[in-house]
Amino acid sequence: QVQLVESGGGLVKPGGSLRLSCAASGFTFSDYYMSWIRQAPGKGLEWVSYISSSGSTIYYADSVKGRFTISRDNAKNSLYLQMNSLRAEDTAVYYCARDRLRRGSPRGMDVWGQGTTVTVSS
Amino acid sequence: DIQMTQSPSSLSASVGDRVTITCQASQDISNYLNWYQQKPGKAPKLLIYDASNLETGVPSRFSGSGSGTDFTFTISSLQPEDIATYYCQQYDNQFTFGPGTKVDIK
Repeated sequence: QVQLVESGGGLVKPGGSLRLSCAASGFTFSDYYMSWIRQAPGKGLEWVSYISSSGSTIYYADSVKGRFTISRDNAKNSLYLQMNSLRAEDTAVYYCARDRLRRGSPRGMDVWGQGTTVTVSS
Repeated sequence: DIQMTQSPSSLSASVGDRVTITCQASQDISNYLNWYQQKPGKAPKLLIYDASNLETGVPSRFSGSGSGTDFTFTISSLQPEDIATYYCQQYDNQFTFGPGTKVDIK
């Protein structure tokens, strides 16, 4: 079945770094745009970044630009989010998600992982 | 950047009631709008795409309409399992979510 499983979350000090991973299965990973979305405790959803199927097109939310890097390894069916210079306001559940269109431009997310929690605190 | 607003921020309704949520974009986004449902502790679920198309497997009591800057999401007959927060999301220019509408049973 189609599945996304995130890992790599944890507790990190302000200014620290963390790398999130998302393992995909049950579909042709290399055909889809992929996104990271986060949700701070008790807050709404915030789109973080997306990457095209080939990795050639990448966009970031202004709140993470210059600090976070999205990447993918299609041979390993995996999506990554390298997070540097972390701040308290980056504390959130981070979801990876698949775009709803195969081989198309980004249109939103139809498959989501269960999320991984990142806590930035001293 | 495109900003999204939703109203109301929360509502309480009785089982069987018709529930309507509105979403407004800060600029014309054509029909590039999705609606998601999120239950506590769970990942969001896509309900409506392209403003008015029902995702496969989603009950027909859910519907969406609108284009340009003004959009509406409707639950025709509220069920207990519909208790959740609902988000609109634009994809005309990158992605932006609305702030969400929490739906409770009265």
